[in-house]
Amino acid sequence: DAGVIQSPRHEVTEMGQEVTLRCKPISGHNSLFWYRQTMMRGLELLIYFNNNVPIDDSGMPEDRFSAKMPNASFSTLKIQPSEPRDSAVYFCASTYSGGHTNQPQHFGDGTRLSIL
Amino acid sequence: AQTVTQSQPEMSVQEAETVTLSCTYDTSESDYYLFWYKQPPSRQMILVIRQEAYKQQNATENRFSVNFQKAAKSFSLKISDSQLGDAAMYFCAYRSAWGGSEKLVFGKGTKLTVNP
Repeated sequence: DAGVIQSPRHEVTEMGQEVTLRCKPISGHNSLFWYRQTMMRGLELLIYFNNNVPIDDSGMPEDRFSAKMPNASFSTLKIQPSEPRDSAVYFCASTYSGGHTNQPQHFGDGTRLSIL
Repeated sequence: AQTVTQSQPEMSVQEAETVTLSCTYDTSESDYYLFWYKQPPSRQMILVIRQEAYKQQNATENRFSVNFQKAAKSFSLKISDSQLGDAAMYFCAYRSAWGGSEKLVFGKGTKLTVNP
């Protein structure tokens, strides 16, 4: 089975540029999560979607960050304009959510983003 | 808001020995799920084991087991017969159950070194 697929695996770009991270969740999963991992703050949720609808975006740092999920098989996280402090590893995860279930979240391999 | 604390930034163990990683959490909810994830240097996030709060029996997955103490809000991970491949960062995570947020709240992690 294909897992959660993220692209690119690495991204290096200059401050001020637009960055787009992509995620394809596991087929059949209806919830998708974007997490950010830094040394200082650890792993933190940015936003999550259920059935393509954003449910909790309280972790999105500021207006420079935006996320979309146009269909069940694709999501993007965009940073515009990017800043050096956005450098981190960004993970996408997906799961099936329905009733009182304890389905674990499956993570992609992450995108290591470096803003120069 | 829920918080997860891992008080051991680093731990080491001899190959074939047993090691226990600590995790405590704070919540006012009565129904929730707890997880341990492993992150090797390849940076994948791999589910190790999960526990439902309503279950009194401690979860076990091969060499991995947990000691879940609900009243103490403690969820430690025991790794038996440690192997070199167990070397990784280990993250404890909390998730609300029915009706709550689906986001995972992570601890800051424990780096486990396995010595040959």
